[in-house]
Amino acid sequence: QVQLQESGPGLVKPSQTLSLTCSVAGGSINRGGYYWSWIRQHPGKGLEWIGYIYHSGTTYYNAPLQSRVTITVDTSKNQFSLRLSSVTAADTAVYYCARDQGDGYGSFDYWGQGTLVTVSS
Amino acid sequence: QSALTQPASVSGSPGQSISISCTGTSSDIGSYNYVSWYQQHPGKAPKLMISDVSNRPSGVSNRFSGSKSGNTASLTISGLQAEDEADYYCNSYTSSTSLVFGGGTKLTVL
Repeated sequence: QVQLQESGPGLVKPSQTLSLTCSVAGGSINRGGYYWSWIRQHPGKGLEWIGYIYHSGTTYYNAPLQSRVTITVDTSKNQFSLRLSSVTAADTAVYYCARDQGDGYGSFDYWGQGTLVTVSS
Repeated sequence: QSALTQPASVSGSPGQSISISCTGTSSDIGSYNYVSWYQQHPGKAPKLMISDVSNRPSGVSNRFSGSKSGNTASLTISGLQAEDEADYYCNSYTSSTSLVFGGGTKLTVL
């Protein structure tokens, strides 16, 4: 059973960089065929795909966020991470990490529990 | 890339069948058989219910089914049960090598 767990600060100041890590248990990130993803949900709103990374380091980002997003992978720790720069209140959301089982086509079969990140001074 | 269009809410009585639509464009749903559906209960992470338009993951009730016609995908829930009350989201792969979600539909079981 694959398990994902997000970790990182729950409060970030405006203009700073949001950093989150997703730890994966029960399966190796190095195994091919999966894309490791970040998705967020603004309070009371719908889901927004942020981007994903393959174990090789290949990344794809959502265009509106691309200039501010970096997703990296550390296969030795079986973790992947999200950095979102120059945050504003509009980046306040629950951030989920998830596994895309379908070669990056958007079928997320395992999710973390989500972590609320609030952007406020 | 605009969000896929879903009705804000649908409702049905126990035992009935309901369908939730998800409308996109020829750049996403219309071009790819990569539509997934998710169920989300309050305060919980989404759960994959349907992948690749109509594939049901192991463990998901066969009361859930998916289909697609043109630029619109649909999720059908038959034999509605109280536990089905939740928010439902669709997503699709797009021609921009990207993913887009729908705005979500709140299902109320009357």
